[in-house]
Amino acid sequence: GESVGLHLPTLSVQEGDNSIINCAYSNSASDYFIWYKQESGKGPQFIIDIRSNMDKRQGQRVTVLLNKTVKHLSLQIAATQPGDSAVYFCAETNAGKSTFGDGTTLTVKP
Amino acid sequence: DAGVIQSPRHEVTEMGQEVTLRCKPISGHDYLFWYRQTMMRGLELLIYFNNNVPIDDSGMPEDRFSAKMPNASFSTLKIQPSEPRDSAVYFCASSFGGPSNQPQHFGDGTRLSIL
Repeated sequence: GESVGLHLPTLSVQEGDNSIINCAYSNSASDYFIWYKQESGKGPQFIIDIRSNMDKRQGQRVTVLLNKTVKHLSLQIAATQPGDSAVYFCAETNAGKSTFGDGTTLTVKP
Repeated sequence: DAGVIQSPRHEVTEMGQEVTLRCKPISGHDYLFWYRQTMMRGLELLIYFNNNVPIDDSGMPEDRFSAKMPNASFSTLKIQPSEPRDSAVYFCASSFGGPSNQPQHFGDGTRLSIL
């Protein structure tokens, strides 16, 4: 069946370093991808999205890369800050339905 | 700007009781989604509405679950009768435009514990 999986369940980085969070998706027909950030006790918060006709999109301190050949999505966070500590989810959308990955916990060490 | 508002934030009740979760989407949004989040299964879509009409309820676990959207500014998710395995965090989300085009805006959830 369709699934979205993350390679690493946890990631620990030093403050100021760059972070890379990876996501594998299984449905080659998926055409819209989103990264969300979830802090403890809160709902997921939109970070950045990308459509399947693009391979890179940049936001403020964040970049999403899409490799359709290997069905891989990544989120890069530049100059990671303590406030970036959270669980990060990727979501893929196909035929109007979004499927969320399991999440990666990012911990930023001061 | 007000985001998606859910109530209650926490609910503890005994099994067999009826539970009603409430959601007020962001004004002007035409899509509303209900999700359930557990450690075992992650974030699962239960049902979503477009212009107050249910579009896909394939994620609703069973007949004990029902959702309504009587108007553009209010939705409920009801569980009757509740069971301990229903314990989870339930999120409501809304968007302007469908899931193929727009990100969703989530509320802070209702943490439900069924004893």
